[in-house]
Amino acid sequence: DGGITQSPKYLFRKEGQNVTLSCEQNLNHDAMYWYRQDPGQGLRLIYYSQIVNDFQKGDIAEGYSVSREKKESFPLTVTSAQKNPTAFYLCASSTDRVGDTQYFGPGTRLTVL
Amino acid sequence: AQKVTQAQTEISVVEKEDVTLDCVYETRDTTYYLFWYKQPPSGELVFLIRRNSFDEQNEISGRYSWNFQKSTSSFNFTITASQVVDSAVYFCALKRGGSNYKLTFGKGTLLTVNP
Repeated sequence: DGGITQSPKYLFRKEGQNVTLSCEQNLNHDAMYWYRQDPGQGLRLIYYSQIVNDFQKGDIAEGYSVSREKKESFPLTVTSAQKNPTAFYLCASSTDRVGDTQYFGPGTRLTVL
Repeated sequence: AQKVTQAQTEISVVEKEDVTLDCVYETRDTTYYLFWYKQPPSGELVFLIRRNSFDEQNEISGRYSWNFQKSTSSFNFTITASQVVDSAVYFCALKRGGSNYKLTFGKGTLLTVNP
């Protein structure tokens, strides 16, 4: 089955620690995205990548970093510089055709203690 | 700047009632795309529909229907004969034409369908 997987589903970390969230897709999509969702809020774009070895900042990139070494993988690192990291993180992917639909993974809920 | 407004924060209905979720958008682009997603309690966003700005035809898919009106910048979503399984948060989103990255989301509407 084609789809997007994110792991882990729940993640707990102590304040000051970096943590990496995994996102893998087997849809052969060129573009991948990371969004953050806070309670009662819509999704906000953190980073996106339209091609391997290239990525761009979204609206709220401060305190986050990404890499795109393989087409199918787009890991997100939440660094200690992120002031309020507790949130629900969603990964998405799409083709590179203009206006194409973004498909989402199941999400990772990060709690910083 | 682009903006999506879902004025209804929460809606509660009884099963079998019809319910309409409102979505109003703002954009200066002539080419753009509109989407609806469903987020059940599990958290994953499920794609429901995509509409481009040149296609104002309404769409029906089973109990779901969408009314796109450019004159009022609205893209409303109606569920007919609602069911408990329809309980979820529903998001409306907007994407510019000519770029393939950013989705601008509304804040979502929490729909609760009671038995």
